[in-house]
Formats: sequence, structure tokens, C-alpha cells
Amino acid sequence: AQSVTQLGSHVSVSEGALVLLRCNYSSSVPPYLFWYVQYPNQGLQLLLKYTSAATLVKGINGFEAEFKKSETSFHLTKPSAHMSDAAEYFCAVSRAGGGNKLTFGTGTQLKVEL
Amino acid sequence: NAGVMQNPRHLVRRRGQEARLRCSPVKGHSHVYWYRQLPEEGLKFMVYLQKENIIDESGMPKERFSAEFPKEGPSILRIQQVVRGDSAAYFCASSPGSGGTNTGELFFGEGSRLTVL
Repeated sequence: AQSVTQLGSHVSVSEGALVLLRCNYSSSVPPYLFWYVQYPNQGLQLLLKYTSAATLVKGINGFEAEFKKSETSFHLTKPSAHMSDAAEYFCAVSRAGGGNKLTFGTGTQLKVEL
Repeated sequence: NAGVMQNPRHLVRRRGQEARLRCSPVKGHSHVYWYRQLPEEGLKFMVYLQKENIIDESGMPKERFSAEFPKEGPSILRIQQVVRGDSAAYFCASSPGSGGTNTGELFFGEGSRLTVL
């Protein structure tokens, strides 16, 4: 079985500060890992994904994440937060050959303050 | 709009009524997934369908819930005899079938928000 754990259901940063959202995964097979963003009353939009190529993955809106097998982590970072980054962020895992069925974490609400 | 289309966006039902949620996948996608999002919770997988087949329904409640993806037309998530606990946002997602066009991710609709009074 696969699962993801997102540490911190709420994270608050100042505009211009580093954003770090944590995700740890559990998988018995090599995983595919994803970060999605959800704005209020909208669907989920893919930020970036890891599918066994480069371990440092760059996504949209200046976000990136690094796959660390030794730490079973896939943390999401952005060097400088912008007010428009305020949203809920979900980490998700799937496995190769398992269709595209994703297992999601419980989400992290990011608040950006002036 | 070539994305996943869900309707209705908002649905209000009284206890005991039926709710039908529809999902049209991205054009050319043959796989549909339904997820449920409860307040303060993440998305919980419900069911995975291909045309005319249910592939994985491990997340579907045993009673009152059913899903289909017919050869023609949208996928339907049906909830019979709704209860207040069914109030949630229901998201549909789609993906291509296996092969070179499948890059692993799901493409999500904007959700259908069910309120049960």
C-alpha cells in the first residue's frame, strides 16, 4: 500500500520568504510523486511530478521539489513567496503500472502575509 | 474548453433524495477517476473506471453509491438516499489509457459540491 504524509496542515510565510511544504511517502515499489495546488472552490492543478527521471523537479510558478529516496521525502519549495501562492497544496503518490490512481495527503494550507 | 467538465457545480438535496453527478473527461481520455473531498480532509479515492468497466472501486461505500462510464456519454456518480454525511465536494479526474500519451498525472475537473439538507 502507498501513502503520503504532509507535515503541517497550515503554513504561514511572509511575502518574499522561502516556502517549504513537507511531504513524506511510503511505497513498497518505486513511486511516482506529485504536487497539486487547489485554489478556493476550484479543482486541482498539477504543479510538478517525479516519475523516476531527474530527482530535482521544476514545476510551474517557480516551485520545485526534490525526490530523496533515503529520506522518503518529496518536499516542495519556492525561494520567494508571492501573495498569489496562497492556496492548498496536496502531495500525492502513485506507482508505475497501477494506472494513474493517486493517493493524496491531507493537504497543507499556505498563507502568505505582507 | 478541452478540460474535464463536471456538472452540476453545486447540488442541493434533501435527505433521502438521489444525487447524480456527471463528468466528461478530457477529449481522448479513456480513464475516469472519482474522488471525494470532505472539509479539512484530503481527497479520498472512490472509483476508477474505463469505458464500460469498473477497474477499481475499493474506495466506494458499499451501499448507496454507484458509478458508471458508458460507451457513449459522461461518467455518472450516483448517490441514492443521500444523508448529511454525503455533503462534500466530488472531483472527477481523467487520464489517457496506457501508452506513450500517459504521463502519469490526473487531470481534474472543478468539482461538484453536494449539500444535503
